[in-house]
Amino acid sequence: AQSVTQLGSHVSVSEGALVLLRCNYSSSVPPYLFWYVQYPNQGLQLLLKYTSAATLVKGINGFEAEFKKSETSFHLTKPSAHMSDAAEYFCAVGAQGGSEKLVFGKGTKLTVNP
Amino acid sequence: SAVISQKPSRDICQRGTSLTIQCQVDSQVTMMFWYRQQPGQSLTLIATANQGSEATYESGFVIDKFPISRPNLTFSTLTVSNMSPEDSSIYLCSAEGNYGYTFGSGTRLTVV
Repeated sequence: AQSVTQLGSHVSVSEGALVLLRCNYSSSVPPYLFWYVQYPNQGLQLLLKYTSAATLVKGINGFEAEFKKSETSFHLTKPSAHMSDAAEYFCAVGAQGGSEKLVFGKGTKLTVNP
Repeated sequence: SAVISQKPSRDICQRGTSLTIQCQVDSQVTMMFWYRQQPGQSLTLIATANQGSEATYESGFVIDKFPISRPNLTFSTLTVSNMSPEDSSIYLCSAEGNYGYTFGSGTRLTVV
């Protein structure tokens, strides 16, 4: 069974500050891990994906995440927040081998203050 | 990565009626997935749809309420049947592309 815990349903940062969104996972098999972003009234857009290659994964819009097996974590970071980063962010876990359903965390709403 | 066109983007429906949501993928995919996102909530998987076989439903979801078709490797539909206000949600389809799972833009359903 797989599960995802996103710590903090709401995160607020100032423009230009570091963004850190936390995600911990549980998986009985080697996982694939994903971060998605959802802007208001839109669908989900893939930010980045971990697939057992490099543990530091770089995604779009300046985001990156580091897979830490020992901590079962896959936290999302961005060095400098921009107003356009305000959105809901979802961490998800799937099983390696592909073609498996994703299990999503409850989401973290990011607010960026001017 | 696969691109998914989903329609309608939104609809307001009367209770007791049904709505069919369509998803068209720009490449052939083995599996497609249908999710529900209730207001202020995360995504919950409704079912997995393979071409040529019946969909596999998750606990709490039944075929009579959410019938799914998957006639070929690029298309799927989800019907929300006999709707009630509790069905008001965003419904999203998904498929695995080369880089990751791609999602349609979602259907925002309001049942009145």
